[in-house]
Amino acid sequence: RKEVEQDPGPFNVPEGATVAFNCTYSNSASQSFFWYRQDCRKEPKLLMSVYSSGNEDGRFTAQLNRASQYISLLIRDSKLSDSATYLCVVTVANDYKLSFGAGTTVTVRA
Amino acid sequence: GAVVSQHPSWVICKSGTSVKIECRSLDFQATTMFWYRQFPKQSLMLMATSNEGSKATYEQGVEKDKFLINHASLTLSTLTVTSAHPEDSSFYICSATDRNNEKLFFGSGTQLSVL
Repeated sequence: RKEVEQDPGPFNVPEGATVAFNCTYSNSASQSFFWYRQDCRKEPKLLMSVYSSGNEDGRFTAQLNRASQYISLLIRDSKLSDSATYLCVVTVANDYKLSFGAGTTVTVRA
Repeated sequence: GAVVSQHPSWVICKSGTSVKIECRSLDFQATTMFWYRQFPKQSLMLMATSNEGSKATYEQGVEKDKFLINHASLTLSTLTVTSAHPEDSSFYICSATDRNNEKLFFGSGTQLSVL
């Protein structure tokens, strides 16, 4: 079983729509969780950390469910510029050895 | 601006040649650098962890004699793909942390194509 699994998508949504997807992780000792955004053949960029209580950053909402071992990302009012691959990232300890999911591709159409 | 500089961005080489990729931290001292590889539509896979002044720690399945890592200074780590073959074609990316492990920065990646 992979350490981090994501639905690859693609999720094709119209502008203004809401899109949400999950990521599951296998290691119950995982401590830190992140969502990164990666554009084609570019480096990943941190979108947001995921906190136990859930957190929001503008149109983006992240949630963590430790009992079921998954995190989620919701994007409201999608913009064309949100089209990207979203990587779920998990780390067991704060040593920055990150475990990456394969990514969920989101395409926002006009 | 970028705090981790990685180059080259693109490399096309013949099979059997060696390719060196550099990763530099620009305004901080990177005691630890990580090298990842990403095949199309797959996740970034950690290849090795390098600490300044010591030997790199390779992940299982990564050949240390094929992927030579040197972290000779606090601002520079290099990955050399020796005797590259077409199956080594991939996106290679480095990341670095500062002394306090407070932040993680990624390089811009290197797309290697071996003909």
